[in-house]
Amino acid sequence: DQQVKQNSPSLSVQEGRISILNCDYTNSMFDYFLWYKKYPAEGPTFLISISSIKDKNEDGRFTVFLNKSAKHLSLHIVPSQPGDSAVYFCAAVEGNTPLVFGKGTRLSVIA
Amino acid sequence: KAGVTQTPRYLIKTRGQQVTLSCSPISGHRSVSWYQQTPGQGLQFLFEYFSETQRNKGNFPGRFSGRQFSNSRSEMNVSTLELGDSALYLCASSVGREETQYFGPGTRLLVL
Repeated sequence: DQQVKQNSPSLSVQEGRISILNCDYTNSMFDYFLWYKKYPAEGPTFLISISSIKDKNEDGRFTVFLNKSAKHLSLHIVPSQPGDSAVYFCAAVEGNTPLVFGKGTRLSVIA
Repeated sequence: KAGVTQTPRYLIKTRGQQVTLSCSPISGHRSVSWYQQTPGQGLQFLFEYFSETQRNKGNFPGRFSGRQFSNSRSEMNVSTLELGDSALYLCASSVGREETQYFGPGTRLLVL
């Protein structure tokens, strides 16, 4: 029973265009959401997060949107760059409980 | 500030053996969590330690255990290794239990 789902295992986007990575969750008690980026042979790197009291958080080229009623969040990368090619994990947490991760989406940015 | 370090980076063991993995958190971080990553399963939570106490445990058999020392360094142990234990084991640290976690590079374990 997956509480956090990333339904697209992979995504290809042209350089300079927008990348949109999606994540759905089932637990309405999640109160904090994070995105991590992972390159091969490295650990995940924290990218951006959002609290459940907000619906948008922006950091440079990265914006995370949260739609609580739909239990959906998305990560927008604009403009996409070849260096953004990586696996992106969505994660959610409720209070002090452990992070729950999705299975990841592999983003390929084509030059 | 140095990041999370994990040793060893790569390990090959045979079935039935045991293994100990080590994690040194970022200085000042008191919470350490361990995850297992396998292809197709994403990151699955193993356990979390804070101030030398296990605070949470994931759905893994008792062969998986861990501990945290007074300097916040942590070890995890897997006994009686099985082929399915082959995975990337990731350690993450955070200042407190509700803070953002920062990951180490992982230990890639191959069980033959």
